[in-house]
Amino acid sequence: EAGVAQSPRYKIIEKRQSVAFWCNPISGHATLYWYQQILGQGPKLLIQFQNNGVVDDSQLPKDRFSAERLKGVDSTLKIQPAKLEDSAVYLCASSFKLERESYNEQFFGPGTRLTVL
Amino acid sequence: DQQVKQNSPSLSVQEGRISILNCDYTNSMFDYFLWYKKYPAEGPTFLISISSIKDKNEDGRFTVFLNKSAKHLSLHIVPSQPGDSAVYFCAASSNTGNQFYFGTGTSLTVIP
Repeated sequence: EAGVAQSPRYKIIEKRQSVAFWCNPISGHATLYWYQQILGQGPKLLIQFQNNGVVDDSQLPKDRFSAERLKGVDSTLKIQPAKLEDSAVYLCASSFKLERESYNEQFFGPGTRLTVL
Repeated sequence: DQQVKQNSPSLSVQEGRISILNCDYTNSMFDYFLWYKKYPAEGPTFLISISSIKDKNEDGRFTVFLNKSAKHLSLHIVPSQPGDSAVYFCAASSNTGNQFYFGTGTSLTVIP
């Protein structure tokens, strides 16, 4: 079974530039998550999709971050414009179901390491 | 506000001995807890979970203990192996939502 795919793996941009990350979840997984992990901290949920609908985006800085999952499969996360404090690893994860007891089946991708200069 | 805390950033243990990783939480509504393991350049992988109706859950060499009154959980690895060297995150959630809150992680090094 293929895992969660993310690209790019690394990205370096200057502040005020835009950047987009792509995630392809495990086939059949209805729920998709984007996390931000700043160095020295644990992952923080940014947004959670169930199919192509948003379940929770309460911690997404909506003035600069946006995410979509138009066809209920792949997802993109965009930052526009980027700030220095956006430097982090952006993790995508997917699970078969939304219920939290399925979190033991939440699979993470390798992440995209973003550096904002 | 950090609702889940792992106060030990790092831990070194000799191979074959017990590793004990600790996690504290502040939200009394948390009732489901997970431990994840993360190798460098990889995403976290699920290790073990426990719900608040239990105080212990065991899976092979891994045991998680939950002390609800102290708002504390711990992960025991016995015996520790060099392949266990990784960063371990605990995470917690309440039944009012599906979001998990992660701790800051503990880097475990098992010395051969």
